[in-house]
Order: sequence, then C-alpha cells, then structure tokens
Amino acid sequence: AQSVAQPEDQVNVAEGNPLTVKCTYSVSGNPYLFWYVQYPNRGLQFLLKYITGDNLVKGSYGFEAEFNKSQTSFHLKKPSALVSDSALYFCAVMTGNQFYFGTGTSLTVIP
Amino acid sequence: DADVTQTPRNRITKTGKRIMLECSQTKGHDRMYWYRQDPGLGLRLIYYSFDVKDINKGEISDGYSVSRQAQAKFSLSLESAIPNQTALYFCATSDLAGPNEQFFGPGTRLTVL
Repeated sequence: AQSVAQPEDQVNVAEGNPLTVKCTYSVSGNPYLFWYVQYPNRGLQFLLKYITGDNLVKGSYGFEAEFNKSQTSFHLKKPSALVSDSALYFCAVMTGNQFYFGTGTSLTVIP
Repeated sequence: DADVTQTPRNRITKTGKRIMLECSQTKGHDRMYWYRQDPGLGLRLIYYSFDVKDINKGEISDGYSVSRQAQAKFSLSLESAIPNQTALYFCATSDLAGPNEQFFGPGTRLTVL
C-alpha cells in the first residue's frame, strides 16, 4: 500500500534559523513527490516537486527539498525561516493516478 | 478571479439531508478531484475525474457521489448526510497526465448536526 508519513505534528523554529519538515514515503515503483503549504482558511498551494534527476529540488518562497532514495525520504528545508512561513505543510506522493497525502506538519516560526 | 472556486464556503446541515458541493475551474484542466480534510488525518481522496465521461472512486467514496457536468464543473453530493461527514472539503484540478501538481480551491467547511 502507498503511504506518506510526516512524523512531526508540530515544528517550532526561531526566525532566521534553518527549518526542516520531515517526510518519508512508501510506494511501489518510482515516486513522484510533492510539498504543499496551507495557510489558515485557504486551500493547499504547491511548493515544489521531485520527478527525476537532481536530488535537491528548489521551489517557491525559498524552500527546497532533498530526495533520498535509500532512506525513502523527501524532507522540506529552508535556510532561514520567516515568521510568514508559519503554516501547515503537507507532503504528498503521486502513484498511478492518485495522490496520497501525509497528515500534515504545523510549522510555527517564532519571532 | 480565483482559478478554482467552491460553493458554498460554509454549510451547516442536519443529519439525513441531501447536500451538494460545487466546484468550478477556469484553468482548462481535464482532471478534477474531491478531497476531505480532517484534523490529524490529512487529505483523503473521495472521487476523481479525468474527463467528463470518466469518474473514479477514491480512498473514501462511501456515502458520496459526484457529477462531472462539464470540463469545468465537478460537484460532490452527500445523499443523506451524517455527522461523521463533518469536515473541510477541497476540490482540486491538475493538467493532463503525468506528475503534475494540483491546484486547490479554497475549501467548503461542512458541519452535519
């Protein structure tokens, strides 16, 4: 069965510090991996995706993610967190014709 | 104007009532999806459609039905609402085949009393 795990429900980080939001996956075949962000009372917004090629993927708002095949992980990172990055973050995997989402990680950036 | 719109944005109803949630998109995408979001459970796929004549069940389709009236319109119905269908519902679209990102509507908050 396909699955996506986000082991941390909540991540707190000080403004200006680097942030990491973790994601691991379990799929058959090659994974297509995505990160989305959700602000309060809004729908999800696409941040970045990994299809193939370079393991480090760069996306919107200064975010990047590293694909690690051996660890089946796709962690989201940003070198310097902003207060405005505070939101709910979802990892997703696409396999076949369906998307499977993680349970979400709430990121709080502390001024 | 928003690319993916959902109506209503909020709805409170009673157990046993029939409810329809509507989704429209101006992105010209063929693929449309309905998800529900519950705290601690993330998003779960209810139904998806790849064109007007194609409807597919997702992970949690029981108790729901859908209609793809046109390329731009995809509605979700709860024939007889029950309290555990209280959730935030999202419509999404994506372009063509392959690993393309989805574009989400703003969501409909449904409460079933």
